[in-house]
Order: sequence, then structure tokens, then C-alpha cells
Amino acid sequence: KAGVTQTPRYLIKTRGQQVTLSCSPISGHRSVSWYQQTPGQGLQFLFEYFSETQRNKGNFPGRFSGRQFSNSRSEMNVSTLELGDSALYLCASSSGDRVTDTQYFGPGTRLTVL
Amino acid sequence: EDKVVQSPLSLVVHEGDTVTLNCSYEVTNFRSLLWYKQEKKAPTFLFMLTSSGIEKKSGRLSSILDKKELFSILNITATQTGDSAVYLCAVVVSGNTPLVFGKGTRLSVIA
Repeated sequence: KAGVTQTPRYLIKTRGQQVTLSCSPISGHRSVSWYQQTPGQGLQFLFEYFSETQRNKGNFPGRFSGRQFSNSRSEMNVSTLELGDSALYLCASSSGDRVTDTQYFGPGTRLTVL
Repeated sequence: EDKVVQSPLSLVVHEGDTVTLNCSYEVTNFRSLLWYKQEKKAPTFLFMLTSSGIEKKSGRLSSILDKKELFSILNITATQTGDSAVYLCAVVVSGNTPLVFGKGTRLSVIA
């Protein structure tokens, strides 16, 4: 069974630009969660999508948005990039069943904002 | 507010040592606790714990949960340099709320 895939793996952008990151979950998984990880901050939850609907949202500004498609693939968009958005963005997929939920992470997209 | 605290924040040991990593939590409606290992990239799943007192074991790694005292420990015996990583603890709560992650313990194993 293929794992979680994320594209692109690395990205360099300049301030003010926008970026779209993609995540394909494990086959059969319906939940996709996005996290931002920066040195010293740990994993910070961005949002979760389940069956094409945003189920949860973390405390990030509206510049961060996402969506999920009918095949469970998800995209995350960051508009008007700031230097502080430089981070590793991780996507995790799970079945969505809250009783036995285990999240499996993709390799991440490392975003550098110059 | 749900909270997960890991200790120590960092640890340096020699190969062959045994280490114990701690994870305590204060959450409402606890469901399960997860341990992950993160090297240079994505966290990889280690254990899921739902019941108190039942040890989960995988090779030199083992973990146990105490739901009364609200903590879990991750033990690594006979450490190797390949065990160097950040170990993350996360708690699953009921309802449609996201995982709550601790900040991790950075383990460095030196030869």
C-alpha cells in the first residue's frame, strides 16, 4: 500500500507570492490533516479535511486555506507569503474513524520564503 | 485547553544506554496516545496506546500508558546511533478535534 505523498518536496518563493501544496493520502483514507513545523515550535495544526469538508481548523490566519477533492487528495494554499511562513509543511492521512485513528505522515514540503 | 507535555526536551546518551522518555497530558475525553519518531523528515508511527498497563513492544522500543496518572513512557534499550531523532507524543481526544502534539524530545545517541 503506497504511503502518503506530498508534492513538491521543496519550494522557494519570495514574499508576497502564493503557493499551493498537494497531498495524496493512503488509499482508503478519508481524512487529511495539515501541520506546520518550525524549529522550536513543534507541530502546529493547520486544518483537517474529511470527505471534502473542513472538519477542524487551527489558529492560523486566513491566508492559509485548503480543500479536499472527491478522491481525498488535498491541497493547501498560502497567499501573500511572509518570511515567517518558511517551514516544513506536513500532511497526515487517517481513516477518519475517531476511535482507532492513527495518522500517517507524508514526507513534507519544505517551503522557504525569501 | 488540552495540553501534552514531553520531557526531557533533549537528551544525549551513549550507545548501549537505556532511555526513558516521558509524555504527560491534560485533555478532556481521552481516546488514545500515539508515539512517533521523527528523523530528518516525516514522523513515523511507533505505537498507539489506549489501555492502561498494557505494554506495547517493538524490538528495543516499548511503551506503556497510565490513564490514572495521565502519562506515558517510551523506553529504548541498548540505544544505537540510529535511534537519534525527535520523539513525538500525541493524544487523540473524542469528537472531531485534532490530535494534540507535544513539542517532542530530541534524543542524540553518540558512539
